[in-house]
Amino acid sequence: DTAVSQTPKYLVTQMGNDKSIKCEQNLGHDTMYWYKQDSKKFLKIMFSYNNKELIINETVPNRFSPKSPDKAHLNLHINSLELGDSAVYFCASSQYNGGLNQPQHFGDGTRLSIL
Amino acid sequence: DQQVKQNSPSLSVQEGRISILNCDYTNSMFDYFLWYKKYPAEGPTFLISISSIKDKNEDGRFTVFLNKSAKHLSLHIVPSQPGDSAVYFCAASARNKLVFGAGTILRVKS
Repeated sequence: DTAVSQTPKYLVTQMGNDKSIKCEQNLGHDTMYWYKQDSKKFLKIMFSYNNKELIINETVPNRFSPKSPDKAHLNLHINSLELGDSAVYFCASSQYNGGLNQPQHFGDGTRLSIL
Repeated sequence: DQQVKQNSPSLSVQEGRISILNCDYTNSMFDYFLWYKKYPAEGPTFLISISSIKDKNEDGRFTVFLNKSAKHLSLHIVPSQPGDSAVYFCAASARNKLVFGAGTILRVKS
């Protein structure tokens, strides 16, 4: 049983297109996250939602828009894709206790390649 | 501005020996530290954590040591096993801030 699943696993698309990545967790967690792992392998948090409410919104271009229809789902929509958006995007979930010190469960990543 | 640094990109250790992975941080506001392990084509998996009020936390073969004055933590794996070969990420947390290091590739040779 996959705990955090994200789709698609691979996404190859042209510059300027709009794409979405979906994420679902079945762990009963109340908080979900999106991370970007760039070419230098740093994992950087982009967004976090707690019970469908945005709690973290790091400095990310507004072409990136997260959407949380319920606490088990957090989708990421990216408009007008650029070459620099090529990266691996990870979804994660955890319980929230007022901070980010709870262990997070990660999906296996979506490798986005912009041509 | 790298607030969390893992200065060794890779480490190679013989099976059965101790593996020591290091992590340094610059922000004294960080009060909780976590280690994650990552295999290729998979997401990171939580390994062990430590609060800043402690200097050691142990879980089976894994022990994390924290030296607050030096802003340094280390993960000890003993004995190392071939299945421990992976990328290890250190992460530091302060309230709603979480910063990961770039990772250290550990190779355990049999």
